[in-house]
Amino acid sequence: LAKTTQPISMDSYEGQEVNITCSHNNIATNDYITWYQQFPSQGPRFIIQGYKTKVTNEVASLFIPADRKSSTLSLPRVSLSDTAVYYCLVGAYSGAGSYQLTFGKGTKLSVIP
Amino acid sequence: DTAVSQTPKYLVTQMGNDKSIKCEQNLGHDTMYWYKQDSKKFLKIMFSYNNKELIINETVPNRFSPKSPDKAHLNLHINSLELGDSAVYFCASSQAARQPYNEQFFGPGTRLTVL
Repeated sequence: LAKTTQPISMDSYEGQEVNITCSHNNIATNDYITWYQQFPSQGPRFIIQGYKTKVTNEVASLFIPADRKSSTLSLPRVSLSDTAVYYCLVGAYSGAGSYQLTFGKGTKLSVIP
Repeated sequence: DTAVSQTPKYLVTQMGNDKSIKCEQNLGHDTMYWYKQDSKKFLKIMFSYNNKELIINETVPNRFSPKSPDKAHLNLHINSLELGDSAVYFCASSQAARQPYNEQFFGPGTRLTVL
């Protein structure tokens, strides 16, 4: 079962780039890495997913080194509306047709004006 | 048009009672999940169903039982509620069968308070 570690909190000023790193040392070959965003009193929302190297979409980039033991979510030019908790999720296949999913404990990002 | 809906949004009940939370998705997805988020905001998966078949069953007490009448619904029934069951419960769904690491769509959550 892949265990993930993230910083508890981060602060950033508006307009800056924010990088949040998740460690997953025992990631399995079949695991994908997914990041979610959660606002207060709402369910998590998908941001980005990757397997290796770099993935970019309209809201974020995901950097995964060759050994895949960590991943970094990059948010370009954050605004106040990016204040939220960001979760790293690693999917693991545990055999016999079953999967285990491990969310990180979340990183609370506070964007300061 | 709500993609993943849950009812009720709030649930306050006494210890020892039995309660159910309903979840429905109109996305045509094959896989649905239940998560528990505690007061420290830790998100833990409880169950997942793929086409009405259980494919994940984390170590949750057997007082919790998921029921899936069809692939658009995954209800959570809880027997003999305890104080420690107080949390926010999220339902989610994803498209691909047996690939739960695909994008999941979450419902708004049900805040359960056990007194």
